[in-house]
Amino acid sequence: EAQVTQNPRYLITVTGKKLTVTCSQNMNHEYMSWYRQDPGLGLRQIYYSMNVEVTDKGDVPEGYKVSRKEKRNFPLILESPSPNQTSLYFCASSPLQGAGQPQHFGDGTRLSIL
Amino acid sequence: AQTVTQSQPEMSVQEAETVTLSCTYDTSESDYYLFWYKQPPSRQMILVIRQEAYKQQNATENRFSVNFQKAAKSFSLKISDSQLGDAAMYFCACIQGGSEKLVFGKGTKLTVNP
Repeated sequence: EAQVTQNPRYLITVTGKKLTVTCSQNMNHEYMSWYRQDPGLGLRQIYYSMNVEVTDKGDVPEGYKVSRKEKRNFPLILESPSPNQTSLYFCASSPLQGAGQPQHFGDGTRLSIL
Repeated sequence: AQTVTQSQPEMSVQEAETVTLSCTYDTSESDYYLFWYKQPPSRQMILVIRQEAYKQQNATENRFSVNFQKAAKSFSLKISDSQLGDAAMYFCACIQGGSEKLVFGKGTKLTVNP
C-alpha cells in the first residue's frame, strides 16, 4: 500500500530534550516536505526536499532541522524543543513528474512540549 | 508570494443539503494548480479535488465540485447531498507551476447537522 508513515503519532516531552520525528514514504517520490498545523493558521511549511541531499527552508524553519540521506526518509529534528513548537506536524511527499502533483500526507504527529 | 484566503472559519449544513465553501487566492504566475483537502477528526489530510488553472472546465468528483473563476481568483467547493461523513476541516491550497510548494488557507470547519 502506498503510504507516508510518520512516527511517533503522539509525543509529550519537555523543553530542551532533543527529539526526532521520522517520516518514510514507499512511493519513490522525489519531493518531501514537513508542515506544522496550528489552530487558525492552517498548515505552514517548515522544510522541504527536492531529492537526496537537497533540502531547503520553508516559511517557518526556525528551531527545526531536517536531513535527506535516503530518498524514502525525511526526519524532522528538534534539537532543543520549546513550548511554541507544540503543534500537529505532517510529512508529505509527491513525485516530480510535472507540476501540480497532489501531495500524499502522513497521518500526523501531535507534539506537546512542556 | 502566493496567498490563499478562506473567509469562512466555520460553516454548517443540514444533511442532504448543498453547501459552498469559499476560497480566494493570489498568485503572480499563470501556471498554477488548486486543491481542496479534507481533514476529518481522524486528522488525516485527504485530497478532495484538484484543478489545473489552464483548464476552464470545473473539476468534479462525485458529490464534490468546484466553481473556478480565474479572473476573480476564486475557487469555491460545492458539496451536494451533504452526508454526516462530510463533517471535517476543509483546506484550500495552491501550487505554482514550477514549484512544489503547497500554500494553504486557514481552513473552514464544516458541521453537518442530521
